Amino acid sequence: SYVLTQPPSVSVAPGQTARITCGGNNIGSKSVHWYQQKPGQAPVLVVYDDSDRPSGIPERFSGSNSGNTATLTISRVEAGDEADYYCQVWDSSSDHPGVFGGGTKLTVL
Amino acid sequence: EVQLVESGGGVVQPGGSLRLSCAASGFTFDDYAMHWVRQAPGKGLEWVSLISGDGGSTYYADSVKGRFTISRDNSKNSLYLQMNSLRTEDTALYYCATDGGVIVPTYYFDYWGQGTLVTVSS
Repeated sequence: SYVLTQPPSVSVAPGQTARITCGGNNIGSKSVHWYQQKPGQAPVLVVYDDSDRPSGIPERFSGSNSGNTATLTISRVEAGDEADYYCQVWDSSSDHPGVFGGGTKLTVL
Repeated sequence: EVQLVESGGGVVQPGGSLRLSCAASGFTFDDYAMHWVRQAPGKGLEWVSLISGDGGSTYYADSVKGRFTISRDNSKNSLYLQMNSLRTEDTALYYCATDGGVIVPTYYFDYWGQGTLVTVSS
């Protein structure tokens, strides 16, 4: 089945830019979606279809996808952005089509 | 406002069964495919199953295929997950989630419930 690889952790100072990567074989040919999960809460969709934002998600959250790497970029990071972030794709050619990355813990220093 | 409320979780012995429910409101339920996603304690997210808006198509993760059955009752705006032959590794918080697409699935998870905890232990 398709595998998505994320770094376990990323740290950034407030006001700086955080970049969280999601690696997969030719992931640029797939649509990538990103979720934010704070402790004790359900996940929240923050980016869908590589780079689109749901209503209510700040413009500080953006996404890109090319080649073997998709990236979630959070600009002007705030303390409230500290959370786990998961990438996700749908691999329609697989018997196990729904795939998540292992998650990245974003720490705001 | 979209609301998804899961129920039916609990403690069950290995080999046992449970039926989870998800009550939906605030949107036209049968216009949307629905998913179950789970999260083991302290672990990441794992997609479990998908059902189309009309209930005619279903998909499962390899880890639950043959043991779990997803279904829906559009007249009751409800989603279900029948879990049989439960294993300790099925212990997790189970979320129901709407698909992002209207009529045609887009295969991302737009709205989530708060989850119901399933514990498989002897």
